[in-house]
Amino acid sequence: EDKVVQSPLSLVVHEGDTVTLNCSYEVTNFRSLLWYKQEKKAPTFLFMLTSSGIEKKSGRLSSILDKKELFSILNITATQTGDSAIYLCANRGGTSYGKLTFGQGTILTVHP
Amino acid sequence: SQTIHQWPATLVQPVGSPLSLECTVEGTSNPNLYWYRQAAGRGLQLLFYSVGIGQISSEVPQNLSASRPQDRQFILSSKKLLLSDSGFYLCAWSRLLAGGGNEQFFGPGTRLTVL
Repeated sequence: EDKVVQSPLSLVVHEGDTVTLNCSYEVTNFRSLLWYKQEKKAPTFLFMLTSSGIEKKSGRLSSILDKKELFSILNITATQTGDSAIYLCANRGGTSYGKLTFGQGTILTVHP
Repeated sequence: SQTIHQWPATLVQPVGSPLSLECTVEGTSNPNLYWYRQAAGRGLQLLFYSVGIGQISSEVPQNLSASRPQDRQFILSSKKLLLSDSGFYLCAWSRLLAGGGNEQFFGPGTRLTVL
């Protein structure tokens, strides 16, 4: 059974701090790993990673995948209060319909 | 551009009452459609998925059912709600990308409270 584990489950920081969120996975026939940000309602897509060692970057957020060690990290530099959210990691395995297996999420709180 | 709608946004229902949540997608054809439930603001659990009209697969045994009467319409139903059905229900769509990627786009969700 596919499995995704995120750590830490919650994190409280102050504006300007840098945070690293972790995602480890076990999956049959890996296809891709995705990160989402969820504030109040719908999760919004951040990154999709398919290859090891290639960093994806968007502003202050970046993510990288290690397919050998089966994990990914999401980095946020110079955090702002608007970064407060649940960050979800999901893994797509080898099913034809594109099933995503989600982790429990990391609740990030950024204080001013 | 593609958009996904869900309604209602919030719902409070008594135990034993029926349920019907609707999801529609615009701007794409033949999408894969998914229903998820999220409990207590944590990870998402896949309930149902559909790869075409009338094609429904269930991921977990439960008190709920799903139907896809039209290409871009996905409905989540129950004949008799249980307290444990409370949660945040999210609909999502995707198109499978070349190379194996599967970016899913989520609707705004329905918060269901069963009393």
